[in-house]
Amino acid sequence: GQQLNQSPQSMFIQEGEDVSMNCTSSSIFNTWLWYKQDPGEGPVLLIALYKAGELTSNGRLTAQFGITRKDSFLNISASIPSDVGIYFCAGPTGGTSYGKLTFGQGTILTVHP
Amino acid sequence: KAGVTQTPRYLIKTRGQQVTLSCSPISGHRSVSWYQQTPGQGLQFLFEYFSETQRNKGNFPGRFSGRQFSNSRSEMNVSTLELGDSALYLCASSLAPGTSLGELFFGEGSRLTVL
Repeated sequence: GQQLNQSPQSMFIQEGEDVSMNCTSSSIFNTWLWYKQDPGEGPVLLIALYKAGELTSNGRLTAQFGITRKDSFLNISASIPSDVGIYFCAGPTGGTSYGKLTFGQGTILTVHP
Repeated sequence: KAGVTQTPRYLIKTRGQQVTLSCSPISGHRSVSWYQQTPGQGLQFLFEYFSETQRNKGNFPGRFSGRQFSNSRSEMNVSTLELGDSALYLCASSLAPGTSLGELFFGEGSRLTVL
């Protein structure tokens, strides 16, 4: 089946630093999604990308949909302590339904004050 | 607007028992999906329901089953529990298939421990 590979697996950064993480797949995805999971919570959608080459921002977050539709990256600028959590990329694999998502294994972000 | 509500939040069972987990979607959301989250396998899709019909099913054994009621609430059941079923079970809701544009709203999960 389709798999998403995220890197790095974990990151330890200082507050104020910029962060970059990416996600690759051997298969084409028509939609790329980035979710964040805080401890004890369910994942929350950060950014959704629908077109190859699309660059989308949400506050300090910026994500791009790779032109080959097989990769995506997420950047976080000027990190703050509340950015701590697990970041997942995901893509729909249930046909026309978005209820079935395949998730990457996640990038664990730790921010030191 | 209330979020996705999952009950119970925590439960402990022993091998061989069965468990039923409940999910109440956001009001107006008609699609419900279930995911299993473990440290080793990550987030894995279990089922998706819409209008009381299962639309998609993940690669899990038949011990895992689910259903959706006419009010869009959903339950999942795991029979003959195994140690490897210990996990966080997440429910997510969306308006309807194909309309949510990828935005699933997740609950806080039900953490199952099998002893």
